[in-house]
Amino acid sequence: AQSVSQHNHHVILSEAASLELGCNYSYGGTVNLFWYVQYPGQHLQLLLKYFSGDPLVKGIKGFEAEFIKSKFSFNLRKPSVQWSDTAEYFCAVRHTGNQFYFGTGTSLTVIP
Amino acid sequence: EAGVAQSPRYKIIEKRQSVAFWCNPISGHATLYWYQQILGQGPKLLIQFQNNGVVDDSQLPKDRFSAERLKGVDSTLKIQPAKLEDSAVYLCASSLSWAGSSEQYFGPGTRLTVT
Repeated sequence: AQSVSQHNHHVILSEAASLELGCNYSYGGTVNLFWYVQYPGQHLQLLLKYFSGDPLVKGIKGFEAEFIKSKFSFNLRKPSVQWSDTAEYFCAVRHTGNQFYFGTGTSLTVIP
Repeated sequence: EAGVAQSPRYKIIEKRQSVAFWCNPISGHATLYWYQQILGQGPKLLIQFQNNGVVDDSQLPKDRFSAERLKGVDSTLKIQPAKLEDSAVYLCASSLSWAGSSEQYFGPGTRLTVT
């Protein structure tokens, strides 16, 4: 069965610290990769996505992610977090069968 | 542009009762998705529609769950009868098409509690 693993369940950082959230998937074929964010009390929304081309993808609010095919990974990064980045972050994978698989999510708390 | 609408926002029922959720996607979006998100887990895709046809329902527990998208616009998801383990947030999402590049837009969800 396909799976998406997010290694960090809960991360606590101080403002201005750097962030890296891990995401690994198990599907060996062609994949589309996504990071979604859910701010407190809001809907899930897309942060960034990778389909092809440059494996370093830039998204909204200063986030970026790097697709490393050999490691089946798509880690999310931000050089300097802000209090407003406090949210739940979900990695998702879509393979050629058009099935979407989400990870279990990482809760990020940024302390002012 | 108006987002994905869902109702009700909250529902509490007893086990063995029936419940239905409604979703109105963004206008013009051909693809509609229903997800189940159990507390502490990521969303799990239950069913995917392209217009009024089912693209994928491999993870839908068909003995108790059903969904329809009449006329290719609004959709309803029904559970009959409900079990305790159905307690979750049910998310609806829509996209312009089912192409991998098409972004999904999520609704606010319906929080179901089965007692």
